[in-house]
Amino acid sequence: EIMMTQSPATLSVSPGERATLSCRASQSVRNNLAWYQQKPGQAPRLLIYDVSARATGIPARFSGSGSGTEFTLSISSLQSEDSAVYYCQQYKSWPAFSFSYGPGTKVEIK
Amino acid sequence: QLQLQESGPGLVKPSETLSLTCTVSGGSINTSDYYWAWMRLPPGKGLEWIGNIYYDGTTYYNPSLKSRVTMSLDTSTMRFSLNLTSVTAADTAVYYCARHDYPDAFDIWGQGTMVTVSS
Repeated sequence: EIMMTQSPATLSVSPGERATLSCRASQSVRNNLAWYQQKPGQAPRLLIYDVSARATGIPARFSGSGSGTEFTLSISSLQSEDSAVYYCQQYKSWPAFSFSYGPGTKVEIK
Repeated sequence: QLQLQESGPGLVKPSETLSLTCTVSGGSINTSDYYWAWMRLPPGKGLEWIGNIYYDGTTYYNPSLKSRVTMSLDTSTMRFSLNLTSVTAADTAVYYCARHDYPDAFDIWGQGTMVTVSS
């Protein structure tokens, strides 16, 4: 099983500043990496897939980068509505489905 | 716009079977373009994939849960279901249904339903 880790556990950022979240996989996931945003009481929302492709309707201030085992989600110019928990996820479909998530990074607004 | 909605009991007794249904609206479940999935989020823990089901009924389960999980799909009612047998307190979680935009990520999720395992 591919294990995912995220850092930091909590990130406190002032409005308008940049937030940088990290995700690491225990083995290469190639480009099969997604990021989700989850606010309290809501479903997870897909932000990024295939490392850097923004999902439909996601603002351009969200961007993803990385390869292999090290990945980054950046939120430029943080807004109050970006306060949430962010999860990274690896997905693999061959030779069998495999999906695993990181423990999440909580982004707080200072 | 496609929407998913989970339904089922919020309380299940230990050793019994947890049964949940996901109703799909605003689109078709009978399509070869997507898989349909269940995930869960236990309190204080991370998200866990439970399994996928294809429109033809083919299923794929998380190996750690495979012995207790059964998923089914009914295209006529636009629903797919999850059964988890022999539940314990460790199965207490918010359960989500989602659409898997194969071979990529889960692009649409339901709101989730809290299931507590307790006597």
